[in-house]
Amino acid sequence: AQSVTQLDSHVSVSEGTPVLLRCNYSSSYSPSLFWYVQHPNKGLQLLLKYTSAATLVKGINGFEAEFKKSETSFHLTKPSAHMSDAAEYFCVVSDRYYKLSFGAGTTVTVRA
Amino acid sequence: GAVVSQHPSRVICKSGTSVKIECRSLDFQATTMFWYRQFPKQSLMLMATSNEGSKATYEQGVEKDKFLINHASLTLSTLTVTSAHPEDSSFYICSVKTSGGTDTQYFGPGTRLTVL
Repeated sequence: AQSVTQLDSHVSVSEGTPVLLRCNYSSSYSPSLFWYVQHPNKGLQLLLKYTSAATLVKGINGFEAEFKKSETSFHLTKPSAHMSDAAEYFCVVSDRYYKLSFGAGTTVTVRA
Repeated sequence: GAVVSQHPSRVICKSGTSVKIECRSLDFQATTMFWYRQFPKQSLMLMATSNEGSKATYEQGVEKDKFLINHASLTLSTLTVTSAHPEDSSFYICSVKTSGGTDTQYFGPGTRLTVL
């Protein structure tokens, strides 16, 4: 069985400041982990993916995430938030049958 | 990444009617597609896995006779909500999995279903 816990339901940051979205996972085997972003009434866009290669994963739009097995975490960061980063973010884990389990989501708001 | 489309983007129907939602993989052949539903302010829940040429696999608690899935070709899967009721109102999203060992899924833009 696998699961994902996103530790913050809502994160508010000022434009130009760092963003940190926290995610912990549980998996019975070596998982694949993803971060997806969803803008209002839109589909999901893949930000980045971890698949047991480098533990620091770089994604699109300046986002990156670090896989820490000892902490079972996969936190998402961005050094400088932009207004266009306001959206819903999902941490996702994949099982061996390619089924995805989604976290509850973190809403990011960016203040001007 | 793969390009996935859904049609329609929005649909409003009367209670008791059936609604068909299409999911198309535009730039590659997808042997496996997934259907999710998302209630307002909530996360995505997997409903079923759609395999080309075979019966769909439904998640626990999802009524297969209510949510009919057909994956007749490598580029098209359809979800039919039969005898829709207001509680079926939701955002339905499909995804496709690329072939091979990769488990990356690419998502369609979603279909907003409102049942009156």
